[in-house]
This record gives sequence, structure tokens and C-alpha cells, in this order.
Amino acid sequence: DAKTTQPPSMDCAEGRAANLPCNHSTISGNEYVYWYRQIHSQGPQYIIHGLKNNETNEMASLIITEDRKSSTLILPHATLRDTAVYYCIVRPPGDYGGATNKLIFGTGTLLAVQP
Amino acid sequence: DVKVTQSSRYLVKRTGEKVFLECVQDMDHENMFWYRQDPGLGLRLIYFSYDVKMKEKGDIPEGYSVSREKKERFSLILESASTNQTSMYLCASSPIRRGGGYGYTFGSGTRLTVV
Repeated sequence: DAKTTQPPSMDCAEGRAANLPCNHSTISGNEYVYWYRQIHSQGPQYIIHGLKNNETNEMASLIITEDRKSSTLILPHATLRDTAVYYCIVRPPGDYGGATNKLIFGTGTLLAVQP
Repeated sequence: DVKVTQSSRYLVKRTGEKVFLECVQDMDHENMFWYRQDPGLGLRLIYFSYDVKMKEKGDIPEGYSVSREKKERFSLILESASTNQTSMYLCASSPIRRGGGYGYTFGSGTRLTVV
């Protein structure tokens, strides 16, 4: 079962920052927070992941609260091409394979970027 | 630079046919996965493999089998296709690394229709 809660949909104006929230109140100490997105009719795309500290890459920033019970994905300047379903996922760190490597997807947030 | 390649983008098969979905990755990843995606149900894991000739059942393995004879190739087999197997099928791969997190790379998907 997915261990995260996300709003089903959000709107954002083009050029503005998109802030996508995720609750993961039962997260364990060694579990990472991952974000993926899926543009219509394509496979999911990895965006970013983090454990405790805030992370930034060329696509987005990830802000994790101090108690790690929630996080926010930030797209600093949303474009129309960012319209997609965004998935927040928690999972334990990598291992030698097996069930712990599974990604469990919830229903995600449909972000609609408006012109 | 495509890294996970699924052999077909669209496929139409008849009920009772044996169907092979092929997936190839060029990143030397140990783990490979097959998901299916259906409206309202999200992504569900069918099978995964963490090494050549190794496989583990995911959440919905019934009606499917897999084959991994080479590290770069992971095949999903529908022994006798049925209409309820009409779906989008997604292949993914990931490395095995002790400790730290890492992302999955997904293919573009195969939309299978069984008539």
C-alpha cells in the first residue's frame, strides 16, 4: 500500500512556482522520499529524492520537514510541459534486491499548468 | 538517448494468444521491473528481477510469467492473453547500491489491447 497522501489535483500559472505537497507521517528513519512524474502516455520520470536534507537539482527542489512527516516538491518556474501526474513515494534504501526495492505508486497529484 | 527500450509502443493481440513484451536496458542495471497501469488503479507491480535468471512475484503476477536470460533484457510473457490484460505495460530498471537512494528509469510503455 502507498504510504503517502497527496492532493488529487492542483493548478499553477505558467511561470510561477508549483509547490506540490506530500504527507508521509509513517515514514521510517531510513526511508527515502522520491518524486516521479508521468506526462500523459509516457513512462514515469524520476525527478528527485532525499532523506533528511533539502535537495535541489536541475529539475526541482525537495523540501523535507524536520520531523520528516511531510515534504514539498517545488518546480521554480512551471511551464506547460510540466503538466503531469506527480508521484511522491517513500521506500527504504537500496539493498541487494528483493522486495525492498519495490516502488509503490499511489494515485499522485495531477498538476495542470495554465497559460 | 533512450536507456530503457520497450519493443513495441502499441500492440493488438487476440484472446488466447501467447504474447511477449520485451524490454532492454543499456545501463548495466541489476534490477528490472514490469508494471501495468490502468485508469483508477495506478501502477501495479507484476514481476521484478534482481539478477539474471532470478525473479520475484510482484503484486499481480497471475496470468503472467517473465524471463531474464541476459542482464540487459527482461521479457514479460502473457501465456494466454485475455481481455482483462488490456493495459499499459511499463518496464523499469534500477541499480543495486548499498545505502543511498537511487532512481528508477522507465521505458515509454507498451499499450496492449487484447481483442
